[in-house]
Amino acid sequence: EDQVTQSPEALRLQEGESSSLNCSYTVSGLRGLFWYRQDPGKGPEFLFTLYSAGEEKEKERLKATLTKKESFLHITAPKPEDSATYLCAVMTTDSWGKLQFGAGTQVVVTP
Amino acid sequence: EAGVTQFPSHSVIEKGQTVTLRCDPISGHDNLYWYRRVMGKEIKFLLHFVKESKQDESGMPNNRFLAERTGGTYSTLKVQPAELEDSGFYFCASSQTSGRQETQYFGPGTRLLVL
Repeated sequence: EDQVTQSPEALRLQEGESSSLNCSYTVSGLRGLFWYRQDPGKGPEFLFTLYSAGEEKEKERLKATLTKKESFLHITAPKPEDSATYLCAVMTTDSWGKLQFGAGTQVVVTP
Repeated sequence: EAGVTQFPSHSVIEKGQTVTLRCDPISGHDNLYWYRRVMGKEIKFLLHFVKESKQDESGMPNNRFLAERTGGTYSTLKVQPAELEDSGFYFCASSQTSGRQETQYFGPGTRLLVL
């Protein structure tokens, strides 16, 4: 059975304190791994798609990496506006279009 | 470019009543998806339309849920009759079909509360 597990469940950071979020997955075949951020009362906002092990993507203070078993979302020198829930989702080779989400990591960045 | 829109933003109904949620995808997006997040759980896939056809409806929980996408534009998700466990957030997403993968863009969601 396909599984997506995110850790930690919650993370509290001081402004400027870099950290990493983990998304481990067990799937029959990976078509793509997606990172989203979600603010309270809003829908998920797309951040990155990663397709194959070794791939990296960057956007401002965020960097996503992918291995054959897990993905990391690195937050460098976070600011309070980076506070959100970060969601990881996978799409498998036998379920085109269907995203399977992890439970998310809630990040709070304090000034 | 307008994003995915959903209506209503929230709905409070009594058990046994009917509720219809609407989703307008990004213009030109052939793929439309419905997801939901019920209390304490992760976001779960419900179904996927390609234009007006149902590509995958494996996530629909039971026959109380009916999704339609007439004309391949907007979509509706009807819950009839609603049960307490249907409470949660319902999200719609849309995507183009291009290249190796499609990025799904989500709407703001509808918060449904069944009393």
